[in-house]
Amino acid sequence: SQKIEQNSEALNIQEGKTATLTCNYTNYSPAYLQWYRQDPGRGPVFLLLIRENEKEKRKERLKVTFDTTLKQSLFHITASQPADSATYLCALVGGSQGNLIFGKGTKLSVKP
Amino acid sequence: NAGVMQNPRHLVRRRGQEARLRCSPMKGHSHVYWYRQLPEEGLKFMVYLQKENIIDESGMPKERFSAEFPKEGPSILRIQQVVRGDSAAYFCASSPSMTDNQPQHFGDGTRLSIL
Repeated sequence: SQKIEQNSEALNIQEGKTATLTCNYTNYSPAYLQWYRQDPGRGPVFLLLIRENEKEKRKERLKVTFDTTLKQSLFHITASQPADSATYLCALVGGSQGNLIFGKGTKLSVKP
Repeated sequence: NAGVMQNPRHLVRRRGQEARLRCSPMKGHSHVYWYRQLPEEGLKFMVYLQKENIIDESGMPKERFSAEFPKEGPSILRIQQVVRGDSAAYFCASSPSMTDNQPQHFGDGTRLSIL
């Protein structure tokens, strides 16, 4: 069955450093991959979408890569700030109907 | 605020009661998805609806759970005869169309607690 793994439940880094989060998937060949941010008590908020023919996508301090050979996406936050502390979720479209399959998320903590 | 609205934000029910969760999608969005998030678990798809139609309910338990999205009014997720295991956060998301290159816009969820 289709599976998405975010192999770090938690990541602690110092302010100003680059955070790198990993998302791996199996039994799947997605055309798109999405990243969301979720704060405690809130719903996920869409951040970035990357297509299979895009190697890399950037938005301000965020960068996402998509390697369909390795079946992996990396999510980077450069010059991290305490306000970046949240849980980050990767997601793939699970079927023909558009429902998303989510990883369990990585909880990022940026210390001042 | 034109975002996805869910209510109530918190709902407490006793075992055996019914729970009704409501979701108003973003303006102009006719596609609604419901997800469930258990403690320490990821978001799990439950059901996908368009106006007056259930498109995919493959993630929804066959018994006690139902969903609707009427022509007028919000989408409703209904859980009958609730049990302790139904305690979770239920999120609704909407999108303007069904394509896999569309982000989904989420509400802030309903936290259901079963006593």
